[in-house]
Amino acid sequence: GAVVSQHPSRVICKSGTSVKIECRSLDFQATTMFWYRQFPKQSLMLMATSNEGSKATYEQGVEKDKFLINHASLTLSTLTVTSAHPEDSSFYICSGQKGYNEQFFGPGTRLTVL
Amino acid sequence: EDKVVQSPLSLVVHEGDTVTLNCSYEVTNFRSLLWYKQEKKAPTFLFMLTSSGIEKKSGRLSSILDKKELSSILNITATQTGDSAIYLCAVYGANSKLTFGKGITLSVRP
Repeated sequence: GAVVSQHPSRVICKSGTSVKIECRSLDFQATTMFWYRQFPKQSLMLMATSNEGSKATYEQGVEKDKFLINHASLTLSTLTVTSAHPEDSSFYICSGQKGYNEQFFGPGTRLTVL
Repeated sequence: EDKVVQSPLSLVVHEGDTVTLNCSYEVTNFRSLLWYKQEKKAPTFLFMLTSSGIEKKSGRLSSILDKKELSSILNITATQTGDSAIYLCAVYGANSKLTFGKGITLSVRP
């Protein structure tokens, strides 16, 4: 397998603040990383595809100015939730693509916006 | 739009039972189908299937793909309480994106 880490695992913030989540591939290089969001009792919804050195591709309905993604190296992608609001509270999961068909997921970050 | 449908949505069994979880898909340019197990955190990888009719096996879990029927099953034999989880099916289609089903919640009672 392959290992992906996320930091922090849990964050609680006040409405209006920005939160940065880091996603790292620890033992492989991920030219492509993905960011997902999962609401309670629902499946994973792809938010954006992040390619190293280029702009992220966002899914329909996901605001790129609100969810800033940076993929500066082959092992690190960051997601910044800007001016977070309670409706942004969710479980955010990243994954790194290894090879042609395999995605390995990070442990997720639970964001709670008060 | 790519689509993945899993059934049943939830299932309660007793330890020792055998379960079959179903996944069907409609995907443009199918590349592979993946099964994941999700407990409290992010999904953990179980199987990747690309060829029809070839069973993949890992301990008490096995899975097979039927490209003609656009479906896959995940079997768990001799279930244990530790098998309780959400089982996610996902398919790789065009643009290297994974489309997930809603998941099947399996509860195994002692």
